[in-house]
Amino acid sequence: GESVGLHLPTLSVQEGDNSIINCAYSNSASDYFIWYKQESGKGPQFIIDIRSNMDKRQGQRVTVLLNKTVKHLSLQIAATQPGDSAVYFCAENIRSGGSNYKLTFGKGTLLTVNP
Amino acid sequence: EAQVTQNPRYLITVTGKKLTVTCSQNMNHEYMSWYRQDPGLGLRQIYYSMNVEVTDKGDVPEGYKVSRKEKRNFPLILESPSPNQTSLYFCASSFSGRAINEQFFGPGTRLTVL
Repeated sequence: GESVGLHLPTLSVQEGDNSIINCAYSNSASDYFIWYKQESGKGPQFIIDIRSNMDKRQGQRVTVLLNKTVKHLSLQIAATQPGDSAVYFCAENIRSGGSNYKLTFGKGTLLTVNP
Repeated sequence: EAQVTQNPRYLITVTGKKLTVTCSQNMNHEYMSWYRQDPGLGLRQIYYSMNVEVTDKGDVPEGYKVSRKEKRNFPLILESPSPNQTSLYFCASSFSGRAINEQFFGPGTRLTVL
């Protein structure tokens, strides 16, 4: 899962296994929670989001779970493939004043898929 | 192709020499933003713009300026770069400031200030 510090949390899985990446957030006023994927040498890429009034959302091979009681977010990747190897960031979408919103990103988790 | 472009992709410069990193999007997005990415610190927002001529500070604005004279462009200006601004910079855009969950990111600019 995500944490502070200089070293990225890492998760290593075998190809074909399911992956679960965790994230703890701090602001209970967040409207949306989002997962981004960042491959080496590229910018972050949107994967999936979930509104704060939902607890589960599914996409293609990915599922996001939201537990507001413990302020915890997770990303599940089914049948993980080598192309899923990347750094995964969670982000909170928070209203910062008036109609302004901002994204606050977590530190990221490095997922490595072994063939 | 819908995209966010940044230039240059790589830049090595010296302390105090003014530089500009350009950002352009072709999706007619209202919201644009600049982030810096540093090891162990993740992505931190520098400045953002809700629309043309509307800009505001993010979490780490010191030492940076921006402008938004046109909808498609959002340049990042370092008037007097210092070594602590050595970082990987990303520009991003989204349809509106009320729907910034799906931001599109540029490829990044790696800046080294000697």
